[in-house]
Amino acid sequence: QKEVEQNSGPLSVPEGAIASLNCTYSDRVSQSFFWYRQYSGKSPELIMSIYSNGDKEDGRFTAQLNKASQYVSLLIRDSQPSDSATYLCAVNMGGAQKLVFGQGTRLTINP
Amino acid sequence: DTGVSQDPRHKITKRGQNVTFRCDPISEHNRLYWYRQTLGQGPEFLTYFQNEAQLEKSRLLSDRFSAERPKGSFSTLEIQRTEQGDSAMYLCASSLTSGGSPPENEQFFGPGTRLTVL
Repeated sequence: QKEVEQNSGPLSVPEGAIASLNCTYSDRVSQSFFWYRQYSGKSPELIMSIYSNGDKEDGRFTAQLNKASQYVSLLIRDSQPSDSATYLCAVNMGGAQKLVFGQGTRLTINP
Repeated sequence: DTGVSQDPRHKITKRGQNVTFRCDPISEHNRLYWYRQTLGQGPEFLTYFQNEAQLEKSRLLSDRFSAERPKGSFSTLEIQRTEQGDSAMYLCASSLTSGGSPPENEQFFGPGTRLTVL
């Protein structure tokens, strides 16, 4: 089992709809969770961080964390073509400072 | 706010040559990280520093790789005797502090150095 798992996609969503991205992790001790967006050929850009169970909203983005199920998700409301990118889930495994990344989910927003 | 910078952005080298990359973190950040990313994969951790101390190295980091952060500011990553398998994007990130929760431990990435070994 991979430490951080994401569906590689591609995930195709119509413009204006809600995009839902999911991530599971293996280590129950993990404390902090991050979502990065990466455009092709560019470096990862931090869009959300979360460490408490529940929802955290920032503009069109909502991160959801369920530590009991070892599950973290990212919702993108009112999806725009500019949201088309690879979304990386990252976890501080076991509370360590390094990040462990999933392989990323490629998201395409169709106009 | 100048963000994390990396130099060079691209490097093409021949197998067996040595290469060195530089990373300048966000100025008030005392933690600096190196990751490597290959096509279709998420970044993989290589090593990190708190100030000038190198606190952890991945098993991915063979003895051909060495990293330094001599004055606790910029860092260099050197790869000796490069191999074709070293071709990847080398990413540097920094975070504010050793705090266990966001936002103190949020890591911000530089633009990366793309290495191609021929």
